[in-house]
Amino acid sequence: AQSVTQLDSHVSVSEGTPVLLRCNYSSSYSPSLFWYVQHPNKGLQLLLKYTSAATLVKGINGFEAEFKKSETSFHLTKPSAHMSDAAEYFCVVSDINNNDMRFGAGTRLTVKP
Amino acid sequence: KAGVTQTPRYLIKTRGQQVTLSCSPISGHRSVSWYQQTPGQGLQFLFEYFSETQRNKGNFPGRFSGRQFSNSRSEMNVSTLELGDSALYLCASSLVADTTNYGYTFGSGTRLTVV
Repeated sequence: AQSVTQLDSHVSVSEGTPVLLRCNYSSSYSPSLFWYVQHPNKGLQLLLKYTSAATLVKGINGFEAEFKKSETSFHLTKPSAHMSDAAEYFCVVSDINNNDMRFGAGTRLTVKP
Repeated sequence: KAGVTQTPRYLIKTRGQQVTLSCSPISGHRSVSWYQQTPGQGLQFLFEYFSETQRNKGNFPGRFSGRQFSNSRSEMNVSTLELGDSALYLCASSLVADTTNYGYTFGSGTRLTVV
């Protein structure tokens, strides 16, 4: 079965500095990978997804992620953090074998002024 | 286009009671999944429905059940509530069953508090 590990439970950056949220996955098959964002008291919003096309995936709000099969990683990045980026971020893996989406534990991003 | 609608947004119940939560997917979406989110366990998969059939079920006791109607609306029911059932319950819908390519659109959730 597939699984995902988010390497940091909490990341704190200053506004205007780069963001890096790390995610490693495990899957027996070619995985699909997603990043979702959850703002306080809100549902989850899809940021971006990788589905075996281009390895560098661009998402909404300036976020992007790179699929690296050799490192089994799918890290989320953004060149310049904005205060509105403060939220919880979830890395998700799904494989075509069972259509079950497995969520990471989440990384809470704090953005300091 | 309306998003995924979950009702009610907040709910307070007493131990031993039962509760029904409702989810209306995006129009045209046929796949609906339910997740439980708690600070300790994170997001855990409950079950998935597609065209009124339960396709997948997570590792939850039989007190948790669900169903999907012909219009794709879904309900989940929790009987004999326990304090540990306090959580945010999220519903998500997808156009087709192949979430590997499409992912899900999530609702804002129902926050259930059991006292």
